[in-house]
Amino acid sequence: DGGITQSPKYLFRKEGQNVTLSCEQNLNHDAMYWYRQDPGQGLRLIYYSQIVNDFQKGDIAEGYSVSREKKESFPLTVTSAQKNPTAFYLCASSITGTEYQPQHFGDGTRLSIL
Amino acid sequence: QKEVEQNSGPLSVPEGAIASLNCTYSDRGSQSFFWYRQYSGKSPELIMFIYSNGDKEDGRFTAQLNKASQYVSLLIRDSQPSDSATYLCAVMNTGFQKLVFGTGTRLLVSP
Repeated sequence: DGGITQSPKYLFRKEGQNVTLSCEQNLNHDAMYWYRQDPGQGLRLIYYSQIVNDFQKGDIAEGYSVSREKKESFPLTVTSAQKNPTAFYLCASSITGTEYQPQHFGDGTRLSIL
Repeated sequence: QKEVEQNSGPLSVPEGAIASLNCTYSDRGSQSFFWYRQYSGKSPELIMFIYSNGDKEDGRFTAQLNKASQYVSLLIRDSQPSDSATYLCAVMNTGFQKLVFGTGTRLLVSP
């Protein structure tokens, strides 16, 4: 089945620790996105990538880093510089080249601080 | 002014009624509009998209777009308790690079 796989489903971070969230897709989509959702809030864009080896900062990139070495994979690292990392993290992907491009989401990763 | 605005709700409707969810946006150049449904604790799922002024129907769902008024809405006919969720409006920004999401409207359908 084609889809977007995020892992782990739950993740705990200790103070001063970097953690990496995995996102893999087999939809052959060029574009991938990372969002953060806080309770009762909408989605805020962290980073996005429209092509391999290229990515752009979204609205809340501080304290996060990404890489896009393969079309299928777009991992997100939450660094120790992100002082309030507790949130629901969502990865999405879409085709590019047209404005008619709905994004499809993985099941998300819940990150909490220990 | 927020780029995409939605009433947070909750919007409460009885089973079988029509639920009307509204969204306004600030980028006049926006061309694509999406509605996602998000159940509590789950990820958003796409339910409708619309690009042209007017109405677009898909089963019990109708999306309505008025670009002149910068307004998009979602109607849910014959609402069911299983429709109880948060509905997110998303707008593709000018330049087609990213979606901007509203904060969502929580819908409660009572049996």
